[in-house]
Amino acid sequence: AQSVTQLDSHVSVSEGTPVLLRCNYSSSYSPSLFWYVQHPNKGLQLLLKYTSAATLVKGINGFEAEFKKSETSFHLTKPSAHMSDAAEYFCVVSAPIGASGTYKYIFGTGTRLKVLA
Amino acid sequence: DVKVTQSSRYLVKRTGEKVFLECVQDMDHENMFWYRQDPGLGLRLIYFSYDVKMKEKGDIPEGYSVSREKKERFSLILESASTNQTSMYLCASSFDRGGNTIYFGEGSWLTVV
Repeated sequence: AQSVTQLDSHVSVSEGTPVLLRCNYSSSYSPSLFWYVQHPNKGLQLLLKYTSAATLVKGINGFEAEFKKSETSFHLTKPSAHMSDAAEYFCVVSAPIGASGTYKYIFGTGTRLKVLA
Repeated sequence: DVKVTQSSRYLVKRTGEKVFLECVQDMDHENMFWYRQDPGLGLRLIYFSYDVKMKEKGDIPEGYSVSREKKERFSLILESASTNQTSMYLCASSFDRGGNTIYFGEGSWLTVV
């Protein structure tokens, strides 16, 4: 069975300091992995995705994530937080449902990032 | 740019009313989805559709139905709204069934009183 665990429900950082949002996954197949960001009262916007090419994936707004198969992790990082990064972040895995060829998306419960001035 | 449009951003409905939430995508995507999002529960899949007139139940289909008469449009229907259906509803689409990037609309906030 596939699952996603976001290890922190809330993270607070000071502006200009690094950001680390942690995600672990479980999948019986080679998964595709995504990070999305949601600002208040908005939909989810894609930050980056991993689809079995390079293990270090660069996304928008200076974010990147590293796929580590041995640790089943896909942590999101940014070297220097900006006030505009304050939002909720979701780790998502897509994996096939049985033999149907249809994929399902499994969402983590989200990490709320607070950026302190 | 990819665009998923949810026509109603904020709605207030009375218990027992029939509610329609409309979603349109302009990317010729095969797959479309409806999720609801609640604090502490994350996103939960209500229904999805991988083709016109096709629909599949998600994790929480009870109290909902859907309609997909055209490829670009996917409607969520609450036959008889109840207060426990007060939530944020998110529509999404993806190119095909192969687990590609999923694109979201801005969301519809529904309050049932």
